Amino acid sequence: GENVEQHPSTLSVQEGDSAVIKCTYSDSASNYFPWYKQELGKRPQLIIDIRSNVGEKKDQRIAVTLNKTAKHFSLHITETQPEDSAVYFCAARSNDYKLSFGAGTTVTVRA
Amino acid sequence: NAGVTQTPKFQVLKTGQSMTLQCAQDMNHEYMSWYRQDPGMGLRLIHYSVGAGITDQGEVPNGYNVSRSTTEDFPLRLLSAAPSQTSVYFCASRENTYEQYFGPGTRLTVT
Repeated sequence: GENVEQHPSTLSVQEGDSAVIKCTYSDSASNYFPWYKQELGKRPQLIIDIRSNVGEKKDQRIAVTLNKTAKHFSLHITETQPEDSAVYFCAARSNDYKLSFGAGTTVTVRA
Repeated sequence: NAGVTQTPKFQVLKTGQSMTLQCAQDMNHEYMSWYRQDPGMGLRLIHYSVGAGITDQGEVPNGYNVSRSTTEDFPLRLLSAAPSQTSVYFCASRENTYEQYFGPGTRLTVT
């Protein structure tokens, strides 16, 4: 099955700086890569996703890049704000419709 | 739409007890899943269903049963609760597109 690794496990950034989270996947057939944000005590919520036929996608301060050859994808958050503090999960979905998640990155934005 | 709903929100069981975690969605989604979330381990797939009457095992199915008699409902049964099943459980659903919607979660403690 698919194996997703996520780094770093914790990330502390100064407000206004950028944050980058990286994930690798094992199944070259994976074709969908979502990112979820989970605030304390809440459910995971989709913040951005990318499909295998696209190399980069942006949504305001958030961007995701995908390198299919290297089997890795990254989340970039620019101009971080205190409300960006949360746990972020990457995931990959292969042809069997199962979504495999990384272990998560706890992001803390320091004021 | 209520989206994905789960009951109960919290539950405490004694070792050996059984119970059912309820999950329902009103979006007419074919695909439903159960995940458990443990610290530092991300979300792990327990069981999933691609439609009424069809279920399959995920990554960590042992100790859990599911059934899918209707499109709307996907209950998760713990047959004989063990302390290792202490976790937060999330139900999720999606149509045959990409975005997956999570329920609010059930926090289960087994003593």
